[in-house]
Amino acid sequence: NAGVTQTPKFQVLKTGQSMTLQCAQDMNHEYMSWYRQDPGMGLRLIHYSVGAGITDQGEVPNGYNVSRSTTEDFPLRLLSAAPSQTSVYFCASSPSTSGGRDEQFFGPGTRLTVL
Amino acid sequence: EDQVTQSPEALRLQEGESSSLNCSYTVSGLRGLFWYRQDPGKGPEFLFTLYSAGEEKEKERLKATLTKKESFLHITAPKPEDSATYLCAVQAETSYDKVIFGPGTSLSVIP
Repeated sequence: NAGVTQTPKFQVLKTGQSMTLQCAQDMNHEYMSWYRQDPGMGLRLIHYSVGAGITDQGEVPNGYNVSRSTTEDFPLRLLSAAPSQTSVYFCASSPSTSGGRDEQFFGPGTRLTVL
Repeated sequence: EDQVTQSPEALRLQEGESSSLNCSYTVSGLRGLFWYRQDPGKGPEFLFTLYSAGEEKEKERLKATLTKKESFLHITAPKPEDSATYLCAVQAETSYDKVIFGPGTSLSVIP
């Protein structure tokens, strides 16, 4: 199993550009989530999904969209990038529909810089 | 509001020097508390889940304990390979789909 994969690993955007961060898992996990990690602030939940077709907002959802058309994929879209979105983004998955009841498996991260 | 704080922010230990990391939390009913390890440039890696006060879990040189207000990660006779950032996270009964992370403790173990 590849586990949780994320692409790209690095990305530089200009303010106002849009892009999609890709996340895929091959463990048949129902729960998937997106976090951003900024220095001194830990991981903050952006959006999560408890199954295909079901998504919900986390702590910091503004400026981001998600969809979940399959169990395997959970892309994160930045509609109009802003410098405040410069961060490291992590995708995670869990076998439990309650999310944290079981361990979450994290991807390697995408380092995004918005100029 | 659910909140997690961790102390110290950074800790530097000599190899073999035991110590503890603290995680204090405020949640409206705890469903689970988690410890993760994160190496530089990588995603967090799961260590433990604790569910109720008094519970303890061990893995090699690490032992996690839980009270009603805080959790400790005890590191016994650490080695340089234990150097990493240790993250604490909580899941509340009232919002069990969301996991709230603390800012982490950066541990350096010097040979």
